[in-house]
Amino acid sequence: GQQVMQIPQYQHVQEGEDFTTYCNSSTTLSNIQWYKQRPGGHPVFLIQLVKSGEVKKQKRLTFQFGEAKKNSSLHITATQTTDVGTYFCAGQDTTDSWGKLQFGAGTQVVVTP
Amino acid sequence: EAEVAQSPRYKITEKSQAVAFWCDPISGHATLYWYRQILGQGPELLVQFQDESVVDDSQLPKDRFSAERLKGVDSTLKIQPAELGDSAMYLCASTLGGSSYNEQFFGPGTRLTVL
Repeated sequence: GQQVMQIPQYQHVQEGEDFTTYCNSSTTLSNIQWYKQRPGGHPVFLIQLVKSGEVKKQKRLTFQFGEAKKNSSLHITATQTTDVGTYFCAGQDTTDSWGKLQFGAGTQVVVTP
Repeated sequence: EAEVAQSPRYKITEKSQAVAFWCDPISGHATLYWYRQILGQGPELLVQFQDESVVDDSQLPKDRFSAERLKGVDSTLKIQPAELGDSAMYLCASTLGGSSYNEQFFGPGTRLTVL
């Protein structure tokens, strides 16, 4: 079955630094979504990527969908303490028509002031 | 702003007991999901409803778990009997439906502890 893997599992970042987290799917995706979960909270939708090679930006966050639609990345510039949380990618397989998402295990981000 | 409601927020039970969780999705959302999230992992889909019909329950342990959405609005997830390994966060999410390209709105979750 479909598997979604994220690396790294943990990311310790100094405030002001940049970092990237990666997401890889074992199958081709129709779309990929990114969610953020703050400590003690629930996942909150950030963005959805649909097109091959698509790049979207949200302020300091840059999301990219791979050309083969099997991988994605999230790049955060000038990390702030408000970026603390776990970032999940979630992919929808091309064979699914009901909106079922397969979540990765997430990248837990810790920011040191 | 409309939100997904869940109750209870916390539940402590002893193994072999029955527990039930309730979810009220955002008004008008046809698709409802129940997820289980173990600490340090991503949400794992247990069951997906389209209106009142189950469209995916392939990951639901049907010997002990059941879910219903009788009128296609709110939903209940039940575990009977609970086992130690069921300790986790149970999240409910909803989407508008009608398209598979919809963001999912999550509720605050129910944290279950089985003793």
